[in-house]
Amino acid sequence: QQPVQSPQAVILREGEDAVINCSSSKALYSVHWYRQKHGEAPVFLMILLKGGEQKGHDKISASFNEKKQQSSLYLTASQLSYSGTYFCGTALYGQNFVFGPGTRLSVLP
Amino acid sequence: GAGVSQSPRYKVAKRGQDVALRCDPISGHVSLFWYQQALGQGPEFLTYFQNEAQLDKSGLPSDRFFAERPEGSVSTLKIQRTQQEDSAVYLCASSPTRPGQGTDTQYFGPGTRLTVL
Repeated sequence: QQPVQSPQAVILREGEDAVINCSSSKALYSVHWYRQKHGEAPVFLMILLKGGEQKGHDKISASFNEKKQQSSLYLTASQLSYSGTYFCGTALYGQNFVFGPGTRLSVLP
Repeated sequence: GAGVSQSPRYKVAKRGQDVALRCDPISGHVSLFWYQQALGQGPEFLTYFQNEAQLDKSGLPSDRFFAERPEGSVSTLKIQRTQQEDSAVYLCASSPTRPGQGTDTQYFGPGTRLTVL
């Protein structure tokens, strides 16, 4: 079952923050985040496992709330290079993940 | 090469033609996946190989779609009697681990954009 992502699209000015949410109705084992720029392949950002952990690198971080079956991706002090479509992928244990519909992020100068 | 490569990058086919799309995964990667991505949508799973074994083909939309990975490395996705609704970007991804283990980062190729006229 495909996860739900919100918002569908967001427009930011350089330096602003954004949060992208991903939720599922199933008991998840892992959540995967990818970013895809127009005409390019999706690029891996991070994986979060159940247990409510939080991960991050540079100014992009994410959390996984196991009770709510929800993950949030946090982008702080956004840069022009952050523009693209962000996909979450949700997986049950032992299964491949299913991509969400994506959130289109545009960072303007 | 260091990454996943796919060929051709673009393919235009007339309705009814057969096409073959190739994927060269990262060397040594156990898992290989095919996805179909329609414009403005997320990638949708088609099929999965663990080495040469096709363990999941539940996402293939019809029996016109066929995939193989005979030696556990290069994979080919074949579409017979193409239809206009087959127009999409076909993405291949490989992973050093099996899916669902929590460590299954997938590395994607650039995709093949198929246009069926």
